[in-house]
This record gives sequence, C-alpha cells and structure tokens, in this order.
Amino acid sequence: GQNIDQPTEMTATEGAIVQINCTYQTSGFNGLFWYQQHAGEAPTFLSYNVLDGLEEKGRFSSFLSRSKGYSYLLLKELQMKDSASYLCAVRALSGGYNKLIFGAGTRLAVHP
Amino acid sequence: ETGVTQTPRHLVMGMTNKKSLKCEQHLGHNAMYWYKQSAKKPLELMFVYSLEERVENNSVPSRFSPECPNSSHLFLHLHTLQPEDSALYLCASSQGPGDIEQYFGPGTRLTVT
Repeated sequence: GQNIDQPTEMTATEGAIVQINCTYQTSGFNGLFWYQQHAGEAPTFLSYNVLDGLEEKGRFSSFLSRSKGYSYLLLKELQMKDSASYLCAVRALSGGYNKLIFGAGTRLAVHP
Repeated sequence: ETGVTQTPRHLVMGMTNKKSLKCEQHLGHNAMYWYKQSAKKPLELMFVYSLEERVENNSVPSRFSPECPNSSHLFLHLHTLQPEDSALYLCASSQGPGDIEQYFGPGTRLTVT
C-alpha cells in the first residue's frame, strides 16, 4: 500500500530553523514534493526532489533519501508568514501515469 | 493567484439538494483534477481528466459526478450528499496527467447539513 507519515503539528520561534520530516512507503516512486498551504488557501508548490540529496531554494531546502524512504523540509530564518501547513506528497506511477499521494500535512506555528 | 479559479468559494447545501462546483484554469494545461481535503486528513484524489477524458476515478461514490466539457473547465456535480461529505474540494491542473507541478485552485468549502 501507499503510506506517508509526517508530524501533525510543530511550533517554532521567529528567526529560528525548523525541520519537518516525512517518511513514505510507496510503490512506483517517482519523486517527492513539498507544498505550503495557508489556512483557507490553495496549496502552493515549494520543492521537488527526485534524486537523493539536498535541494536549496532561498530560505527553504528539501532533502531526499530514496533508500530510507525519507525526506525533510528545512525552513531557515523563520518568519511569522511561514505559519502554515506543509504537505509532503509522493509522485508514484500507477495505472500508466503519475499521481500525487499526499500526507496529512504538518501545521507549523511560528511564534515571536 | 495560481491561474486556477473555483466557484463558489463556500457552499452550504442540504442532503436533498443538487449543486455544482466549477473550476477554470487559465494556464493552457491539459490535465485537471478534483481533490477532497477533510480536516486533519490527507488530500484525497477523486478524479483525473486528461484532454477532457477521465483517466482516474478513485472509488468515488456516484453522488459525485464530474464533467469536463473542455480542457479549461471542470465541474463536480453533487446530489444527495451526506454530512461526511463536508470538506474542502480542491481543483488542480497540470500540463499533463501526473506532471511535476500541479497548480491548485483556492477550493470550495462545502458544508452538508
């Protein structure tokens, strides 16, 4: 079956660094995404990893280890506007095309 | 703004009502999706359309009926819903089915009374 786990909630302080972990068990793995979703808004694309290693994009970095079925999203220099849900999603080949399988999301609260 | 719009943004309906959700994408994409997002649950893929043809029906009850008249528009027709169908319904589009990046609309918050 397909299974994606991430913590339900996290809190952090403005200016700090936070790491949100995601573990997965899927067949037909074809990449891993992180999306950000503010309350009442659409999820927006943050990052995509298909090979092992770290992808850096400004204050956000995402890491992937395919052998361990593990990824993390690293947020540096946290700002209040980073308070949101962060969704881990695995792209898996099924039925002849790729589909996204989402985790339940991690709600991050950034405090002053 | 992601280039994907959804109407209405909020909808309250009784179990005997019939209503429709609308999604429109202005990105020239060929694939469109319906997702359901319930509180504290993962996004669940409901339907996938590629070039107006349904390629995925993820065991969704027949009280949800999708329609894709062209590659820019996607509808979700609702009838005789249950209270547990209350959720955020998100539309998304991508260049092709399963392409790297999906663009999501803001969603319709549906409450079934």
